[in-house]
Amino acid sequence: NAGVTQTPKFQVLKTGQSMTLQCAQDMNHNSMYWYRQDPGMGLRLIYYSASEGTTDKGEVPNGYNVSRLNKREFSLRLESAAPSQTSVYFCASSEAGLGVAKNIQYFGAGTRLSVL
Amino acid sequence: AQSVAQPEDQVNVAEGNPLTVKCTYSVSGNPYLFWYVQYPNRGLQFLLKYITGDNLVKGSYGFEAEFNKSQTSFHLKKPSALVSDSALYFCAVRLFSGGYNKLIFGAGTRLAVHP
Repeated sequence: NAGVTQTPKFQVLKTGQSMTLQCAQDMNHNSMYWYRQDPGMGLRLIYYSASEGTTDKGEVPNGYNVSRLNKREFSLRLESAAPSQTSVYFCASSEAGLGVAKNIQYFGAGTRLSVL
Repeated sequence: AQSVAQPEDQVNVAEGNPLTVKCTYSVSGNPYLFWYVQYPNRGLQFLLKYITGDNLVKGSYGFEAEFNKSQTSFHLKKPSALVSDSALYFCAVRLFSGGYNKLIFGAGTRLAVHP
């Protein structure tokens, strides 16, 4: 089982460039998430998708867009990268609903992004 | 505001000694609490969770956590630390809002276990 796969693992951008971070999960989960991780701040939710065809903003959505391409894939796009977006980005997935077992989120290995 | 606090940036423990990583929370209603671990250059891995029932929850790799409602705490513990336990640990609380489940994370505590 691959679980949650993120590409690329590393990326360096110049200010103003655009790029898309890819995420795919093979666990047939309904919900997917994008987080950023910054030192001393834990993980902060950027966007999430409760199910295929729906997306919603999280805590820090400014400067990002997302696409839930299908049930497996959830991409994050930076249209015009800024140095403040230098961070480690994590994709996660979970089953939707109120059941106990469905509350666990599974994470990818992350994308380290530097914006110069 | 609903939040999670991890008061220690780093915890240092000698191998073989017991360890505790602290977490306190502030949420309305009954909390759903989680611990995740992050090893270098890896994503977060689920360790354990408290939903309801017994206040002492057992999880992966010999870890356990104690839920204390009166102190609004959910501290992570292990009776005997291993060098391989050295990692970044995150406490999280689940919120169910708008039909979705979301996690609010603490800032993380780095655990260093010395030989």
